[in-house]
Amino acid sequence: AQSVTQLDSHVSVSEGTPVLLRCNYSSSYSPSLFWYVQHPNKGLQLLLKYTSAATLVKGINGFEAEFKKSETSFHLTKPSAHMSDAAEYFCVVSADSSASKIIFGSGTRLSIRP
Amino acid sequence: DSGVTQTPKHLITATGQRVTLRCSPRSGDLSVYWYQQSLDQGLQFLIQYYNGEERAKGNILERFSAQQFPDLHSELNLSSLELGDSALYFCASSVGSGGTYEQYFGPGTRLTVT
Repeated sequence: AQSVTQLDSHVSVSEGTPVLLRCNYSSSYSPSLFWYVQHPNKGLQLLLKYTSAATLVKGINGFEAEFKKSETSFHLTKPSAHMSDAAEYFCVVSADSSASKIIFGSGTRLSIRP
Repeated sequence: DSGVTQTPKHLITATGQRVTLRCSPRSGDLSVYWYQQSLDQGLQFLIQYYNGEERAKGNILERFSAQQFPDLHSELNLSSLELGDSALYFCASSVGSGGTYEQYFGPGTRLTVT
């Protein structure tokens, strides 16, 4: 069975400070992990993905995530937040074999304070 | 712009009615996925088609059906609509079928059932 838990429903940071969005997963298979971002009234956009290559994955817009198997975590980070980062972020886990095992987290809303 | 198009953008209809949502995938993508996003349920995977054939099924109600045509566009049919079907419906596409492929999302169709 697969599951994904985003530990914070809402994160608020000041512009220019680091961002940390936490994601824990559970999977019976060797998982693929993704982070997607959804800006207001928009579709989801892929930020980055992990598929058993390097454990530190770099994505777009300065985001990166580290796959930690021992902690079953895939936290998303960014060194310095920008106002345009305000959005909803989704952590996603999937098994290699079937799309029906794609599970989206409940989302974390990121707010940026000026 | 992801390259995935969805029509219509907004749809308002009454309970008991039937509607059809349309999706055109990115050029070259063979897989189409349908998702429902609502405030109480979050983002739910409905169904996937790959090159015209149903590949995976998620939490899709029996009142809902989908198909993918030879030109690879897809339609999601929702019938006997209920108030609870009001949601944002997203289509996504990917080049392959398995869970390792990143998905590209369309802008969504907002369905309001009155």
